[in-house]
Amino acid sequence: QSVLTQPPSVSGTPGQRVTISCSGSSSNIGSNYIYWYQQLPGTAPKLLIYRDYQRPSGVPDRFSVSKSGTSASLAISGLRSEDEADYYCAGWDDGLRGRVFGGGTKVTVL
Amino acid sequence: EVQLVESGGGLVQPGGSLRLSCTASGLTEFSDHHMDWVRQAPGKGLEWVGRSRNKPNSYTTQYAASVQGRFTISRDVSTNSVFLQMNSLTTEDTAVYYCHTVTLPYWGRGTLVTVSS
Repeated sequence: QSVLTQPPSVSGTPGQRVTISCSGSSSNIGSNYIYWYQQLPGTAPKLLIYRDYQRPSGVPDRFSVSKSGTSASLAISGLRSEDEADYYCAGWDDGLRGRVFGGGTKVTVL
Repeated sequence: EVQLVESGGGLVQPGGSLRLSCTASGLTEFSDHHMDWVRQAPGKGLEWVGRSRNKPNSYTTQYAASVQGRFTISRDVSTNSVFLQMNSLTTEDTAVYYCHTVTLPYWGRGTLVTVSS
């Protein structure tokens, strides 16, 4: 049972917009930055979003984040086949005094 | 180009020890960055293992409850390296171990640790 809750899977057709939710609490999302990672099959995770809304250089603006209270969402617009991957949210938890990850969401492009 | 390279993984018996290394090349001001260890058991999600904070935070370390007291993180700024000393290993520690910079987009490729008799 992960501290941050994500749906196990979402799917969409090419060009569609999909969203991945990440639900936490006041001790993590509610009071600390959230980060999002993409993990393509067989590869290391890749940082998509840091400090709530910042995109590293090279990450397309098709990836966007919203955050409110103790929840956040990652949206992928203009879905492409290369977006098929596992996505994880993460953040610091003040109560646990450590970093916590969501369980991961598998995005399938139909 | 920045690269993080982990090494030291392998097969170890339950109760044994292993020391992983993560060396950064091309990363300026290595001491300015928090460095995390994260692991991924086969077919599972990501699990945070621990952190070596940056120099302004005196390189202090923090650990997940699952490894507290068994794992130790250290850093050698002269070689741009961070280490994960793992003791009293159990089969639950079997995973690919990654090091990464927290607010920069750099991850190693990971090193596989298998704990089995």
